[in-house]
Amino acid sequence: GQSLEQPSEVTAVEGAIVQINCTYQTSGFYGLSWYQQHDGGAPTFLSYNALDGLEETGRFSSFLSRSDSYGYLLLQELQMKDSASYFCAVRGGSQGNLIFGKGTKLSVKP
Amino acid sequence: EAGVTQFPSHSVIEKGQTVTLRCDPISGHDNLYWYRRVMGKEIKFLLHFVKESKQDESGMPNNRFLAERTGGTYSTLKVQPAELEDSGVYFCASSQDSDFSYEQYFGPGTRLTVT
Repeated sequence: GQSLEQPSEVTAVEGAIVQINCTYQTSGFYGLSWYQQHDGGAPTFLSYNALDGLEETGRFSSFLSRSDSYGYLLLQELQMKDSASYFCAVRGGSQGNLIFGKGTKLSVKP
Repeated sequence: EAGVTQFPSHSVIEKGQTVTLRCDPISGHDNLYWYRRVMGKEIKFLLHFVKESKQDESGMPNNRFLAERTGGTYSTLKVQPAELEDSGVYFCASSQDSDFSYEQYFGPGTRLTVT
C-alpha cells in the first residue's frame, strides 16, 4: 500500500523557521506535493517536487530525497497567518488522485 | 477566474435519508476528483472523472455512493441511504491536465453530518 507519515502538531513563534517532515511509502512514485489548509477552508497547493533537491517559492521551500523516501516543507519568517494544517501528498498514479498524509497542524505564537 | 465551488456548504440529515452534493470545477478543467475527510483522519480519495467518464472509482466506500458528471461539467455525489459513518467533509478538486494532477484546485468542501 501507500502511506505518508508526518508529525501531527508543530508550534513555533513569529519570525522563526519551521520544518515539517514527511516520509512516504509508495508502490510507484510520481512526486511529492504540499498543501495548506486553514480551519474550515479548502486545501491549497503550495509546492511540488518531482526530483531531488530544494524548490523555493517565497518564504516556503520544499525538499525531496527520493533515495530516502523523504521530504520536508520549510517555512521561513513565520507569520500568524501561517497557522494552518499542512499536508504532504503523493499521486496514486502518474495521472491520478492524491494520497495525503494525516496533516501537521502548525500553530504560530506571537 | 472562478474557483471550484461546492453546494451545499453544510448538510445535516438523518440516518437513512438521501443527500446530493454538487461540485462545479474550474471551467475547462477536464479532471474532477472527489475526496472525503472524516474527523481526525486524512483526506481520502473517492473517485476521479476525466470529462464525463469515471477514470478511477477505487476509493468509493460502497454502493451507497453514486457519482455522476453530466456532460463533463459539474458533478454530483449522492449518498443513499446515508449512514452515521458517512459524516465528514467532502471535497471536490479539479485539474486542467492529468499530467499536472499534482496541483489540484480544491473547493471549500461540504460538511455532512448524519445523525
